[in-house]
Amino acid sequence: KAGVTQTPRYLIKTRGQQVTLSCSPISGHRSVSWYQQTPGQGLQFLFEYFSETQRNKGNFPGRFSGRQFSNSRSEMNVSTLELGDSALYLCASSLQGSGGYNEQFFGPGTRLTVL
Amino acid sequence: AQTVTQSQPEMSVQEAETVTLSCTYDTSENNYYLFWYKQPPSRQMILVIRQEAYKQQNATENRFSVNFQKAAKSFSLKISDSQLGDTAMYFCAFMKPSSNYQLIWGAGTKLIIKP
Repeated sequence: KAGVTQTPRYLIKTRGQQVTLSCSPISGHRSVSWYQQTPGQGLQFLFEYFSETQRNKGNFPGRFSGRQFSNSRSEMNVSTLELGDSALYLCASSLQGSGGYNEQFFGPGTRLTVL
Repeated sequence: AQTVTQSQPEMSVQEAETVTLSCTYDTSENNYYLFWYKQPPSRQMILVIRQEAYKQQNATENRFSVNFQKAAKSFSLKISDSQLGDTAMYFCAFMKPSSNYQLIWGAGTKLIIKP
């Protein structure tokens, strides 16, 4: 079974631009979570989507948004990029139905650099 | 708010030695999960071991074992017979049902295994 894939793997943008990152979960997984990883702040939860609905959201400004499609693929968008948005963005998928623990499987991440 | 603390930013040991990584957490809940994740230089986050809070027995996965002290809110990872491939960032993480099973992360410990 293919793992979680994220595209692109690397991205360079300039301040003020917007960016869209993509995540394809493991086949059959319906939950997709996004995390931001930076040297200063560590790993922080952005949001989680389940069955095309945002189910959880972390403490990030509204410039960070996401969506999930009917095939469970997810995208996250960052508008009006700031230098501080430079980070590794990780996506994780899990089976996660109505409740209970399900292991999260991580993708390789997208390295975003904002100049 | 839940917090996860890893007090060792970096550790290094010789190959074949045993190493213990520390983690403490803070929660008022009784039902939760604790994890150790490994992130090698290639960046893919991998689950190393999981512990359910209701289980008194410490989890073990081959060379990896935990020392779970619920009253002390301590969750350390022991790696026996360390191998060069164990070189990675290790993250302790916490999850609880009442937060829809979202992961809260420690800052990480960089582990270097020396030949």
